Order: sequence, then structure tokens, then C-alpha cells
Amino acid sequence: SQQGEEDPQALSIQEGENATMNCSYKTSINNLQWYRQNSGRGLVHLILIRSNEREKHSGRLRVTLDTSKKSSSLLITASRAADTASYFCATGLNSGGYQKVTFGTGTKLQVIP
Amino acid sequence: SQTIHQWPATLVQPVGSPLSLECTVEGTSNPNLYWYRQAAGRGLQLLFYSVGIGQISSEVPQNLSASRPQDRQFILSSKKLLLSDSGFYLCAWNMGGGTDTQYFGPGTRLTVL
Repeated sequence: SQQGEEDPQALSIQEGENATMNCSYKTSINNLQWYRQNSGRGLVHLILIRSNEREKHSGRLRVTLDTSKKSSSLLITASRAADTASYFCATGLNSGGYQKVTFGTGTKLQVIP
Repeated sequence: SQTIHQWPATLVQPVGSPLSLECTVEGTSNPNLYWYRQAAGRGLQLLFYSVGIGQISSEVPQNLSASRPQDRQFILSSKKLLLSDSGFYLCAWNMGGGTDTQYFGPGTRLTVL
């Protein structure tokens, strides 16, 4: 079963607006990661937030993590048409020397120019 | 810098035929390696992971197998493909010892007819 569930499944906004995507998970984690996937391409790592962190920024990206609610959000500010892609959250749990990463089902973001 | 390669990029195979997908990583030693499958419009499902040469762990029972004949080579195979094996196959790597970010290859799109 999927550990992370993104909400909404699809989001369409105008260029310049902010986009917020949410992710909920069910079990303990060591970290939570957000990835981006352009259509038919591999995934690109965007940002990682550790379980003892509450907020992290990277450029136009802002990620929050609430471990008490088992949820995270990704905010993209001042969106651009090039931000159109699918965004996945993934929970990471260290286990026996490797990290088990479980992906959610993704949010498909469309930014309209 | 590290790079990850996958080939072929696309593949169309008949039901019952064999499969071999290859993934190689350059610029690093002893990485953890992963095979994921992504069904159309869905999230990623972890199929196999490897923490070293000859060490393969399977996450889900299936028609596929994996091998790691060399430190930076990861192969996904099947003796007889099923229609349900169609999908987008992604290879990823990261370093063990608590380094968390996974880096993905460009993927192979497999269509079984």
C-alpha cells in the first residue's frame, strides 16, 4: 500500500499564483522527500525534510512537516509554466543500512501561462 | 559527478518474451540500487533493492527478478513477460550510511503486447 497520499490529485492554477500540495502518511519516518516528474521522464529530487525539522526552504519551494499529524505540504510560490509536472512525496525510513523510500500517488500540477 | 544510465529508453515486447533492462551508475562506489515500476498515472512501486554485489531484496512477489553482477550495475529481468508487466521502470541509487536522497535514471517505458 502507498505510504504517502497526496492531495489534491490534480491542480490547475494560473502562472504567478502559488501552488500548495499536501501529503499524508501513516507510519513513522526518518525523513520526507518531494520529487518532481515531467511527463515520461525520471524523477528529480526537490527537497528533503528530516523528521526533526518543521520547515525548509529552497528557492521558490517551501516544505513543512507535522509529524504529530503525519502530514507535509509543498508550496511553490510565484508559479511558472515550467513548473507543470507531477509532484510526489516519499517517506524515508532507515532500515538495516539502506533507506526504504515509499512514494505516494502524486499531484499533477498544471500552470497555465 | 555521479550519473545514472538506463537502457533501453523504450521497449515493446510480446507476451511471453524475455526481458532485460540495465542500469549503471558512474562516479560512485558501493551505492544502494533500486528498481521501481510506475503504472500509468500512478506512484512508484519499489520492486527490488540492493545494498551490494549479489545482494538482492524483493519487495513484492512478481514475474520479475533482479541481479547485481557488478558494483554499479543493476539488471531487471523476466523469463516470460505478462501484459501486466507494462509500465515505466525507474532505476535509482543512493549512498548508504544515512544519506537519504535518491537519484533516478531516465527510465524505460515497457509495453507488453
